Amino acid sequence: DAGVTQSPTHLIKTRGQHVTLRCSPISGHKSVSWYQQVLGQGPQFIFQYYEKEERGRGNFPDRFSARQFPNYSSELNVNALLLGDSALYLCASSLGVSGLGELFFGEGSRLTVL
Amino acid sequence: GDSVTQMEGPVTLSEEAFLTINCTYTATGYPSLFWYVQYPGEGLQLLLKATKADDKGSNKGFEATYRKETTSFHLEKGSVQVSDSAVYFCALSGNGANNLFFGTGTRLTVIP
Repeated sequence: DAGVTQSPTHLIKTRGQHVTLRCSPISGHKSVSWYQQVLGQGPQFIFQYYEKEERGRGNFPDRFSARQFPNYSSELNVNALLLGDSALYLCASSLGVSGLGELFFGEGSRLTVL
Repeated sequence: GDSVTQMEGPVTLSEEAFLTINCTYTATGYPSLFWYVQYPGEGLQLLLKATKADDKGSNKGFEATYRKETTSFHLEKGSVQVSDSAVYFCALSGNGANNLFFGTGTRLTVIP
């Protein structure tokens, strides 16, 4: 069975541009979460979606948005990119919405903002 | 707010050495605690977890005990192997919450 897949794996943008990152969860998983991992740091929670509804939001500006589609895949959008948005963006899926469940992570999308 | 403080690395050990990676946490209520591991070129994966005080999580020879009195969840392994070389993250999920707070990660390198 396929794990969590993310695309693109790497991308380079310039300041002020917009980026869309995509995630396909493990088949049967209805929850998708997004995390930002800056080099040398642990992942930081951005969003969680469950059954197409936002269930949690971390401390990120409104430039960050996300959505989940009927097939449970998800997109993370970041507008007006800043240099500080350079990071590895991780998507994780899980069966349910509870934090007690195991999260399955993709390999991430590495974003570089110049 | 909820947070995790993790032993800074990197850590370099010889094969068959004993491993401890310290992790302490700050949280209200009764969080669940996790260790995730990131092997080179792979995504984060759950190594073990504990959901209440005094629980011991274990997997692949690794163990960690949820100590509420010391707010700790230290990771241990009696005899590390080269294949254990990875970055290890301690994490918590707050009471009823649906997201994880991660530590900064500890890079372990095991040399033959």
